[in-house]
Amino acid sequence: EAQVTQNPRYLITVTGKKLTVTCSQNMNHEYMSWYRQDPGLGLRQIYYSMNVEVTDKGDVPEGYKVSRKEKRNFPLILESPSPNQTSLYFCASSARDRNYGYTFGSGTRLTVV
Amino acid sequence: DQQVKQNSPSLSVQEGRISILNCDYTNSMFDYFLWYKKYPAEGPTFLISISSIKDKNEDGRFTVFLNKSAKHLSLHIVPSQPGDSAVYFCAASPYSGGYQKVTFGIGTKLQVIP
Repeated sequence: EAQVTQNPRYLITVTGKKLTVTCSQNMNHEYMSWYRQDPGLGLRQIYYSMNVEVTDKGDVPEGYKVSRKEKRNFPLILESPSPNQTSLYFCASSARDRNYGYTFGSGTRLTVV
Repeated sequence: DQQVKQNSPSLSVQEGRISILNCDYTNSMFDYFLWYKKYPAEGPTFLISISSIKDKNEDGRFTVFLNKSAKHLSLHIVPSQPGDSAVYFCAASPYSGGYQKVTFGIGTKLQVIP
Protein backbone atom coordinates (compact mmCIF):
# COMPACT_ATOMS: atom_id res chain seq x y z
CA GLU A 1 0.00 0.00 0.00
CA ALA A 2 1.33 3.43 -0.96
CA GLN A 3 1.77 5.43 2.20
CA VAL A 4 3.68 7.87 4.34
CA THR A 5 4.55 6.42 7.73
CA GLN A 6 5.32 8.56 10.75
CA ASN A 7 6.51 7.41 14.13
CA PRO A 8 5.62 7.77 16.86
CA ARG A 9 1.91 8.65 16.68
CA TYR A 10 1.96 10.15 20.17
CA LEU A 11 4.85 11.51 22.19
CA ILE A 12 5.08 13.32 25.50
CA THR A 13 8.50 14.70 26.36
CA VAL A 14 10.16 17.22 28.62
CA THR A 15 11.62 20.56 27.69
CA GLY A 16 15.14 20.31 26.30
CA LYS A 17 15.22 16.57 25.65
CA LYS A 18 16.22 15.97 22.04
CA LEU A 19 13.79 13.96 19.96
CA THR A 20 13.35 12.71 16.43
CA VAL A 21 10.12 12.03 14.59
CA THR A 22 10.67 9.63 11.74
CA CYS A 23 8.99 9.76 8.35
CA SER A 24 9.22 7.24 5.56
CA GLN A 25 7.46 6.96 2.20
CA ASN A 26 7.29 3.99 -0.14
CA MET A 27 6.21 5.79 -3.32
CA ASN A 28 9.65 6.86 -4.58
CA HIS A 29 8.56 10.49 -4.27
CA GLU A 30 11.12 13.23 -4.81
CA TYR A 31 9.46 15.83 -2.62
CA MET A 32 8.93 15.59 1.12
CA SER A 33 7.73 18.10 3.67
CA TRP A 34 6.91 18.62 7.32
CA TYR A 35 3.91 20.58 8.59
CA ARG A 36 2.54 21.44 11.99
CA GLN A 37 -1.13 21.99 12.69
CA ASP A 38 -2.28 24.31 15.45
CA PRO A 39 -5.80 25.53 16.32
CA GLY A 40 -6.65 28.72 14.47
CA LEU A 41 -3.42 28.58 12.47
CA GLY A 42 -4.06 25.71 10.09
CA LEU A 43 -1.16 23.81 8.57
CA ARG A 44 2.17 25.58 8.51
CA GLN A 45 5.16 24.28 6.60
CA ILE A 46 8.30 23.69 8.64
CA TYR A 47 10.78 22.33 6.10
CA TYR A 48 10.65 20.76 2.69
CA SER A 49 12.98 18.75 0.53
CA MET A 50 13.22 18.56 -3.23
CA ASN A 51 15.49 15.51 -3.28
CA VAL A 52 18.26 13.75 -1.40
CA GLU A 53 20.53 16.26 0.35
CA VAL A 54 18.36 19.19 -0.82
CA THR A 55 16.26 20.85 1.89
CA ASP A 56 14.85 24.32 2.46
CA LYS A 57 13.03 26.26 5.14
CA GLY A 58 9.30 26.61 5.16
CA ASP A 59 7.36 29.24 7.07
CA VAL A 60 8.15 28.14 10.64
CA PRO A 61 11.60 26.43 10.69
CA GLU A 62 12.86 27.83 14.01
CA GLY A 63 13.68 25.11 16.52
CA TYR A 64 13.63 22.29 13.97
CA LYS A 65 16.16 20.42 11.87
CA VAL A 66 15.70 17.95 9.05
CA SER A 67 17.87 15.71 6.95
CA ARG A 68 17.37 13.85 3.68
CA LYS A 69 20.10 11.26 3.38
CA GLU A 70 17.88 8.75 1.61
CA LYS A 71 15.03 9.38 -0.78
CA ARG A 72 12.46 7.54 1.32
CA ASN A 73 13.25 9.06 4.74
CA PHE A 74 12.84 12.60 6.05
CA PRO A 75 13.21 12.77 9.86
CA LEU A 76 12.25 15.85 11.87
CA ILE A 77 14.64 16.66 14.69
CA LEU A 78 13.91 18.86 17.71
CA GLU A 79 17.28 19.47 19.34
CA SER A 80 15.86 21.23 22.41
CA PRO A 81 12.07 21.03 22.43
CA SER A 82 10.07 23.78 24.11
CA PRO A 83 6.38 23.90 25.13
CA ASN A 84 5.52 26.09 22.12
CA GLN A 85 6.42 23.14 19.91
CA THR A 86 3.50 21.20 21.32
CA SER A 87 1.52 20.50 18.19
CA LEU A 88 0.23 17.97 15.67
CA TYR A 89 2.90 17.22 13.08
CA PHE A 90 2.39 15.85 9.59
CA CYS A 91 4.91 14.50 7.15
CA ALA A 92 4.03 14.51 3.46
CA SER A 93 5.50 13.45 0.15
CA SER A 94 4.74 14.06 -3.50
CA ALA A 95 5.98 13.20 -6.93
CA ARG A 96 7.27 15.87 -9.29
CA ASP A 97 3.86 15.80 -10.98
CA ARG A 98 2.06 18.49 -9.04
CA ASN A 99 -1.36 17.31 -10.17
CA TYR A 100 -1.57 14.81 -7.33
CA GLY A 101 -0.62 17.03 -4.42
CA TYR A 102 1.00 15.85 -1.25
CA THR A 103 0.28 12.48 0.37
CA PHE A 104 0.20 12.96 4.12
CA GLY A 105 1.05 10.67 6.99
CA SER A 106 -1.38 10.11 9.87
CA GLY A 107 0.27 12.64 12.13
CA THR A 108 2.34 12.75 15.33
CA ARG A 109 0.80 14.38 18.39
CA LEU A 110 3.70 15.92 20.35
CA THR A 111 3.37 17.37 23.83
CA VAL A 112 6.32 19.15 25.42
CA VAL A 113 5.99 19.73 29.16
CA ASP B 1 0.15 37.62 7.64
CA GLN B 2 -2.03 34.89 6.19
CA GLN B 3 -1.50 34.48 2.47
CA VAL B 4 -4.31 31.94 2.11
CA LYS B 5 -7.52 32.87 3.89
CA GLN B 6 -10.54 30.76 4.63
CA ASN B 7 -12.87 33.18 6.37
CA SER B 8 -15.63 30.72 7.21
CA PRO B 9 -14.57 28.45 10.07
CA SER B 10 -17.61 26.25 9.62
CA LEU B 11 -20.47 25.46 7.24
CA SER B 12 -23.60 23.32 7.60
CA VAL B 13 -25.44 21.97 4.58
CA GLN B 14 -28.33 19.58 4.10
CA GLU B 15 -27.61 16.29 2.39
CA GLY B 16 -28.21 16.53 -1.35
CA ARG B 17 -27.65 20.28 -1.48
CA ILE B 18 -24.62 22.15 -2.77
CA SER B 19 -21.71 22.96 -0.47
CA ILE B 20 -19.61 25.98 -1.39
CA LEU B 21 -16.33 26.54 0.39
CA ASN B 22 -14.45 29.76 -0.26
CA CYS B 23 -10.81 30.75 -0.19
CA ASP B 24 -8.96 34.02 -0.84
CA TYR B 25 -5.25 34.52 -1.40
CA THR B 26 -2.99 37.54 -1.33
CA ASN B 27 0.26 36.35 -2.90
CA SER B 28 0.32 37.13 -6.62
CA MET B 29 3.08 34.56 -7.10
CA PHE B 30 0.72 31.67 -6.36
CA ASP B 31 -0.13 29.87 -9.55
CA TYR B 32 -1.31 26.46 -8.39
CA PHE B 33 -4.13 25.80 -5.99
CA LEU B 34 -5.30 22.69 -4.18
CA TRP B 35 -8.04 21.51 -1.87
CA TYR B 36 -7.52 18.90 0.81
CA LYS B 37 -10.01 17.12 3.03
CA LYS B 38 -9.20 16.05 6.57
CA TYR B 39 -11.04 13.66 8.86
CA PRO B 40 -10.27 13.59 12.61
CA ALA B 41 -7.22 11.54 13.57
CA GLU B 42 -6.09 11.28 9.95
CA GLY B 43 -3.76 13.24 7.71
CA PRO B 44 -5.17 15.54 5.01
CA THR B 45 -5.99 13.88 1.71
CA PHE B 46 -5.68 15.58 -1.65
CA LEU B 47 -9.03 16.32 -3.28
CA ILE B 48 -8.67 18.47 -6.37
CA SER B 49 -6.36 21.10 -7.84
CA ILE B 50 -6.34 23.87 -10.42
CA SER B 51 -3.65 25.68 -12.31
CA SER B 52 -3.78 29.44 -12.76
CA ILE B 53 -4.16 28.99 -16.50
CA LYS B 54 -7.63 27.53 -15.92
CA ASP B 55 -10.73 28.92 -14.28
CA LYS B 56 -12.49 25.64 -13.57
CA ASN B 57 -11.61 22.05 -12.85
CA GLU B 58 -14.12 19.28 -12.24
CA ASP B 59 -13.78 15.82 -10.74
CA GLY B 60 -17.01 13.99 -10.13
CA ARG B 61 -19.00 15.80 -7.46
CA PHE B 62 -16.19 18.28 -6.84
CA THR B 63 -15.55 21.42 -8.86
CA VAL B 64 -13.02 24.12 -8.14
CA PHE B 65 -13.43 27.61 -9.58
CA LEU B 66 -10.63 30.15 -9.79
CA ASN B 67 -11.08 33.90 -10.21
CA LYS B 68 -7.56 35.25 -10.59
CA SER B 69 -8.54 38.90 -10.80
CA ALA B 70 -10.31 38.61 -7.45
CA LYS B 71 -7.68 36.24 -6.03
CA HIS B 72 -10.49 33.95 -5.04
CA LEU B 73 -11.24 30.28 -5.42
CA SER B 74 -14.12 28.12 -4.35
CA LEU B 75 -14.87 24.43 -4.01
CA HIS B 76 -18.34 23.22 -4.93
CA ILE B 77 -19.60 19.83 -3.79
CA VAL B 78 -22.74 18.64 -5.51
CA PRO B 79 -24.63 16.79 -4.18
CA SER B 80 -23.31 16.92 -0.64
CA GLN B 81 -23.20 13.63 1.27
CA PRO B 82 -22.80 12.93 5.01
CA GLY B 83 -19.40 11.36 4.27
CA ASP B 84 -18.24 14.76 3.05
CA SER B 85 -18.32 16.05 6.63
CA ALA B 86 -14.71 16.99 7.31
CA VAL B 87 -12.35 19.94 7.51
CA TYR B 88 -11.43 21.34 4.10
CA PHE B 89 -8.15 23.11 3.55
CA CYS B 90 -7.39 25.42 0.69
CA ALA B 91 -3.73 25.51 -0.33
CA ALA B 92 -1.57 27.37 -2.83
CA SER B 93 1.94 27.25 -4.19
CA PRO B 94 4.13 29.44 -6.37
CA TYR B 95 6.30 28.14 -9.14
CA SER B 96 9.84 28.78 -7.99
CA GLY B 97 11.86 25.89 -9.29
CA GLY B 98 9.19 23.50 -8.11
CA TYR B 99 5.89 23.27 -6.27
CA GLN B 100 7.06 21.96 -2.96
CA LYS B 101 6.37 25.10 -0.95
CA VAL B 102 2.66 24.84 -0.27
CA THR B 103 0.82 27.32 1.95
CA PHE B 104 -2.42 26.23 3.60
CA GLY B 105 -5.40 28.12 4.93
CA ILE B 106 -6.77 27.46 8.41
CA GLY B 107 -9.56 25.23 7.16
CA THR B 108 -13.36 25.21 7.02
CA LYS B 109 -15.30 22.55 8.89
CA LEU B 110 -18.13 21.22 6.75
CA GLN B 111 -21.04 19.40 8.31
CA VAL B 112 -23.49 17.67 5.99
CA ILE B 113 -26.75 16.99 7.78
CA PRO B 114 -28.63 13.84 6.75
